[in-house]
Amino acid sequence: KQEVTQIPAALSVPEGENLVLNCSFTDSAIYNLQWFRQDPGKGLTSLLLIQSSQREQTSGRLNASLDKSSGRSTLYIAASQPGDSATYLCAVTGSGGYNKLIFGAGTRLAVHP
Amino acid sequence: DGGITQSPKYLFRKEGQNVTLSCEQNLNHDAMYWYRQDPGQGLRLIYYSQIVNDFQKGDIAEGYSVSREKKESFPLTVTSAQKNPTAFYLCASKAGQGGYGYTFGSGTRLTVV
Repeated sequence: KQEVTQIPAALSVPEGENLVLNCSFTDSAIYNLQWFRQDPGKGLTSLLLIQSSQREQTSGRLNASLDKSSGRSTLYIAASQPGDSATYLCAVTGSGGYNKLIFGAGTRLAVHP
Repeated sequence: DGGITQSPKYLFRKEGQNVTLSCEQNLNHDAMYWYRQDPGQGLRLIYYSQIVNDFQKGDIAEGYSVSREKKESFPLTVTSAQKNPTAFYLCASKAGQGGYGYTFGSGTRLTVV
């Protein structure tokens, strides 16, 4: 059974710091890994999608890496800003059955001025 | 712009009442999903549909029902059999089987009064 773990559960940093959020998964049989952002009371916004054959994806100040063999992904946020404050969710799409999306519990990030 | 529209944003249900949450997408995606989000428990899959007129139970389908009469629409009914319906409900869609990414709506918050 696929399990996704995110560390740390919460993070509070001053503005301008570079951050690393960690995600690990137990079954390497995945199609892809997706990072989402969720603001309080809102839906999920997709940040980055990494296919299982890829090593990393970049979008602006965000960079996500994937090491499928070790079951790890990291989300790197450069030069953090107060507007980055949100919960960040990691999810993997399994390659079996109906491509079920399995979520981690998230990392709650607070960036203070 | 293409996307997923969920309505209403807030919904209140009396004891013993059935309520229906709407989910409409104009992305031309084949697959649609309903997730439930509770504090501290992450997202759990309720129902999914990979094609019109077909749907399958997810991990927590008891007390819920769905229909998929049109490609664009996947409404979720919370029945009186669901004993603890207060939660945040999220609808998602995906282009098809395999490594496509998921797109989420903005959610409906359901409260029992």
